[in-house]
Amino acid sequence: SQQGEEDPQALSIQEGENATMNCSYKTSINNLQWYRQNSGRGLVHLILIRSNEREKHSGRLRVTLDTSKKSSSLLITASRAADTASYFCATGNTPLVFGKGTRLSVIA
Amino acid sequence: KAGVTQTPRYLIKTRGQQVTLSCSPISGHRSVSWYQQTPGQGLQFLFEYFSETQRNKGNFPGRFSGRQFSNSRSEMNVSTLELGDSALYLCASSENLNTEAFFGQGTRLTVV
Repeated sequence: SQQGEEDPQALSIQEGENATMNCSYKTSINNLQWYRQNSGRGLVHLILIRSNEREKHSGRLRVTLDTSKKSSSLLITASRAADTASYFCATGNTPLVFGKGTRLSVIA
Repeated sequence: KAGVTQTPRYLIKTRGQQVTLSCSPISGHRSVSWYQQTPGQGLQFLFEYFSETQRNKGNFPGRFSGRQFSNSRSEMNVSTLELGDSALYLCASSENLNTEAFFGQGTRLTVV
């Protein structure tokens, strides 16, 4: 089955720095979605990028998709302490298939 | 628009009991999916429903079942609870297949 694998598993940065997380997957996809999860809570939908798109922006978020490499990246610019969370990519038509996530810690 | 609502938020059950979790999707959304999240296994897919029909089922034992009603609300049931069923159960709704999926806050189930 399709599976997103996030890299790195954990990332610790200072407030104001940029954070980059990567996602690799195995088979062709229609779209790829990124989610954020604060500890023990539900997933918050961040962005969906379709297979025919290469880049998408939403506020401080920038997502790229390279279907030839079967990879995506999520960039959070000017990070804040409130960005501390786990970030997941999800691939697949339906149902969504998640990786293990990247645990981001932003230190004030 | 109200988001995805899951009830209850927290639940403590005893081994051998059964439990029913409820999910009300965003108004107008016809697809509902359920996921189990544990520290060891991560997010694992349970079921997917679209217009009252189960489209996909994950690799879970028959003790896990679900259904979707005509108003798109969904329930999942776990019978003969085991300690390993302790998890955060998440429900997601989407307008159609292959569109953005929005999650509820989850139901935290603890089996003692």
